[in-house]
Amino acid sequence: EDQVTQSPEALRLQEGESSSLNCSYTVSGLRGLFWYRQDPGKGPEFLFTLYSAGEEKEKERLKATLTKKESFLHITAPKPEDSATYLCAVRKIKAAGNKLTFGGGTRVLVKP
Amino acid sequence: EAGVAQSPRYKIIEKRQSVAFWCNPISGHATLYWYQQILGQGPKLLIQFQNNGVVDDSQLPKDRFSAERLKGVDSTLKIQPAKLEDSAVYLCASSPSGRGRGEQYFGPGTRLTVT
Repeated sequence: EDQVTQSPEALRLQEGESSSLNCSYTVSGLRGLFWYRQDPGKGPEFLFTLYSAGEEKEKERLKATLTKKESFLHITAPKPEDSATYLCAVRKIKAAGNKLTFGGGTRVLVKP
Repeated sequence: EAGVAQSPRYKIIEKRQSVAFWCNPISGHATLYWYQQILGQGPKLLIQFQNNGVVDDSQLPKDRFSAERLKGVDSTLKIQPAKLEDSAVYLCASSPSGRGRGEQYFGPGTRLTVT
């Protein structure tokens, strides 16, 4: 059975204090690993897709990396506006349509 | 480009009552998804449509949940009768096609409280 586990569940950072979020996955045949950001009261917002081990994607202060077992979302010099829940999800080869299996998310709070 | 629209945004009902949610996907998106997100958890797929056909409804509690997508555009999700454990946010998402890059675009969700 596909499993996606995110850690830590919650993260409190001071503004400017860099950190990393972990997403470990067990899936038979990865077709893509997705990172989303979710603000309170809103739907998830797409950030990145990673397809193969060694791939990296960047967007502003966020950088996502992928290995064969896990993905990291690095937040460099975070600002209060980076506070959100970050979700990762996996899509497997031969999955019906684009079915995504999500992890439980990491709630990030950046204090000024 | 307009995003995914959902209504209502909030709904409070008593257990055993029925409720319906509406979703309008991004124009031109062939694939539509309904997710259930319980507080503190990630979204869980309930049902996926490709145009107006069901691709995956393996996690839909079919004894009480139903969904339809008429004419391959708008969709409704219904719960009848509701249980306390149905309290959650119901998210609708869409994507351009079933064989695309895979990213899905989510609406704001409907927060359901069952008392």
